[in-house]
Amino acid sequence: QSALTQPASVSGSPGQSITISCTGTSSDIGGYNYVSWYQQYPGKAPKLMIFGVSNRPSGVSPRFSGSKSGNTASLTISGLRAEDEADYYCLSYTDTSTEVFGGGTKVTVL
Amino acid sequence: QVRLQESGPGLVKPSETLSLTCTVSGGSITSTSYYWGWIRQPPGKGLEWIGIIHYAGNTYYNSSLKSRVTISLDTSKTQFSLQLTSVTAADTAVYFCARRTPRSNWFYYDYWGQGALVTVSS
Repeated sequence: QSALTQPASVSGSPGQSITISCTGTSSDIGGYNYVSWYQQYPGKAPKLMIFGVSNRPSGVSPRFSGSKSGNTASLTISGLRAEDEADYYCLSYTDTSTEVFGGGTKVTVL
Repeated sequence: QVRLQESGPGLVKPSETLSLTCTVSGGSITSTSYYWGWIRQPPGKGLEWIGIIHYAGNTYYNSSLKSRVTISLDTSKTQFSLQLTSVTAADTAVYFCARRTPRSNWFYYDYWGQGALVTVSS
């Protein structure tokens, strides 16, 4: 059960858009639309940002959006703000009824 | 408002068993809709999915931990628990408990505990 592949870090200036990729296989991301994304600040519990590939929970800013193509899911943050600086993790359901996280991406606002 | 709270020893000796409990309030642990899971995070590293349990008794575990992990439910106490046997320093981590939605709701974790640091050391 290998972790999904995410870039270790992504950075952008305030107001810019950034995209975080999350690559898996046909046994996880490619086979299901059960991909979710979590934001985590240091010392805090993760917070749900996107579920079902592209659905946003109530209360999450519309600046956050998700998509998927083949075995790769993506999280885009538009209009980057200082408060978006955090770690982001993708999570996918797999064909063994288990789940697997991505390695995590540190977002830095320049 | 659903709340989850982890509890248990913060220090475990190598080769012994790590035991944590998650107490759920504000929601029914016996709901057939939800699963209850454990996720961990070694210091400075990423999240690792450990496993989940459903009220009906179904359990699913990370294949890399399966031989050492047991997740169980205590419905009378609205708690669920994690046991990890034969621990080593590599099991040192913050352990989170969380609620997972069903397939009809896209399988995501909507409520999380604050996390409990467990250190494995003699």
